[in-house]
Amino acid sequence: KAGVTQTPRYLIKTRGQQVTLSCSPISGHRSVSWYQQTPGQGLQFLFEYFSETQRNKGNFPGRFSGRQFSNSRSEMNVSTLELGDSALYLCASNSGTEVYEQYFGPGTRLTVT
Amino acid sequence: AQSVAQPEDQVNVAEGNPLTVKCTYSVSGNPYLFWYVQYPNRGLQFLLKYITGDNLVKGSYGFEAEFNKSQTSFHLKKPSALVSDSALYFCAVRDITTGGFKTIFGAGTRLFVKA
Repeated sequence: KAGVTQTPRYLIKTRGQQVTLSCSPISGHRSVSWYQQTPGQGLQFLFEYFSETQRNKGNFPGRFSGRQFSNSRSEMNVSTLELGDSALYLCASNSGTEVYEQYFGPGTRLTVT
Repeated sequence: AQSVAQPEDQVNVAEGNPLTVKCTYSVSGNPYLFWYVQYPNRGLQFLLKYITGDNLVKGSYGFEAEFNKSQTSFHLKKPSALVSDSALYFCAVRDITTGGFKTIFGAGTRLFVKA
């Protein structure tokens, strides 16, 4: 079966701009989680969506938002970008049948200049 | 609050020697524990998990982990290291207090296997 797809893979933005990242989960998976990975803070949970509803949220400012569509694809948006938002953003496709297993995409590398 | 600690930033081991990557956890209730590996410019790959049952869990690529409730540890082990095992390893715990798939990760341990 096809894996988790994240687009784009690489992105360069300027401070103050906004960005939208996309994640297509494994077919049949209804839950998607987003994580931010930075050298200083490690892997931090952003939010989780299940059946188009946000089920969990991490401790990030309101500039970080997300949504999920009826086909389970998810997007996350970061507005008013800051230099500190430079990171690898990972999406995980969450299985409802294999207990507690998450399958991660390759990530989107965002660089803010 | 759920948390995970990986006390070593880096572990160095010679190829063919056994390796151990340490992890301790703090959870309320029963722990759901995981190990992931990350290669450069890649996402995380699942290695193994402990939910319940046997304290010795076997996973992918010859890795195993030992769950120790009294020491609140979940150390990753492999009997014979390969150069290709060199990567970044993350221990993680599922935050079951919130339901869903919120996962708390350790800071990561970089493993170097020398030929």
